[in-house]
Amino acid sequence: DQQVKQNSPSLSVQEGRISILNCDYTNSMFDYFLWYKKYPAEGPTFLISISSIKDKNEDGRFTVFLNKSAKHLSLHIVPSQPGDSAVYFCAASGGGADGLTFGKGTHLIIQP
Amino acid sequence: SAVISQKPSRDICQRGTSLTIQCQVDSQVTMMFWYRQQPGQSLTLIATANQGSEATYESGFVIDKFPISRPNLTFSTLTVSNMSPEDSSIYLCSVFIGTSTYEQYFGPGTRLTVT
Repeated sequence: DQQVKQNSPSLSVQEGRISILNCDYTNSMFDYFLWYKKYPAEGPTFLISISSIKDKNEDGRFTVFLNKSAKHLSLHIVPSQPGDSAVYFCAASGGGADGLTFGKGTHLIIQP
Repeated sequence: SAVISQKPSRDICQRGTSLTIQCQVDSQVTMMFWYRQQPGQSLTLIATANQGSEATYESGFVIDKFPISRPNLTFSTLTVSNMSPEDSSIYLCSVFIGTSTYEQYFGPGTRLTVT
C-alpha cells in the first residue's frame, strides 16, 4: 500500500508560467514533508521541506503548501524555467531516525 | 552541505554473483541510509546503517541478501548478494543534512543491471 502518492506521472508547463505538482499521503504519523528534484543519472537533490505544524514554506521560486486535514501537499514553481525540467519526488518522514517514504515522482517538462 | 560519492557508478553483472557498492561522505555522519529505485518505481528504503551497530532493515529486505558494513563515520558498503534480474535497480546512499533529522542528501547512485 503506497503511503505517499503522486498521481500525475507527467506534467507539461509553458516557460514563465506556474508549475503545480501534487502529492497525497495516507499516514497521519508523518511529521515532515520534502520535495526532491532528480535529473537522469544523478541522485535526488533536496529542494524544500515543510513541517506538519506549518501550512506554507517558501524559498525563492519554490513554495510548498500543506493541507493536513486533506493529507495533501503541493509544490509551486513560479516562474517555471527550462532548467526545472526534471522528475520531482514527494517524500515524507516521521522524523528522528526514520528514513524517507517516497512517491513515484512526476516528470515536469517546461516547454519554451 | 555534504559531498557524497558512490562506486561503482554503474555495473552489469551476471545472475548468481554479488556486487558491493561503496558510499563515501566527506564529513562524519552518524546515520547513513541505503535506498533502491527499481525501474519506474519510487525510491524505497532498504536499511539504516549506524556506525558501531548492526544495520536496521526495512520490511522485505534481509541481511543475507543485502549485507551492510559501516566501519567508520564516513563510509559504508551495501552488497547485493546472489543477484537476479529483479535486483536491477539504482542503489543510492544518503545522509542527514546538517543537524536536520529528516532532510537527506543523496549520493549520485549506482545503476545495476543483472543479466
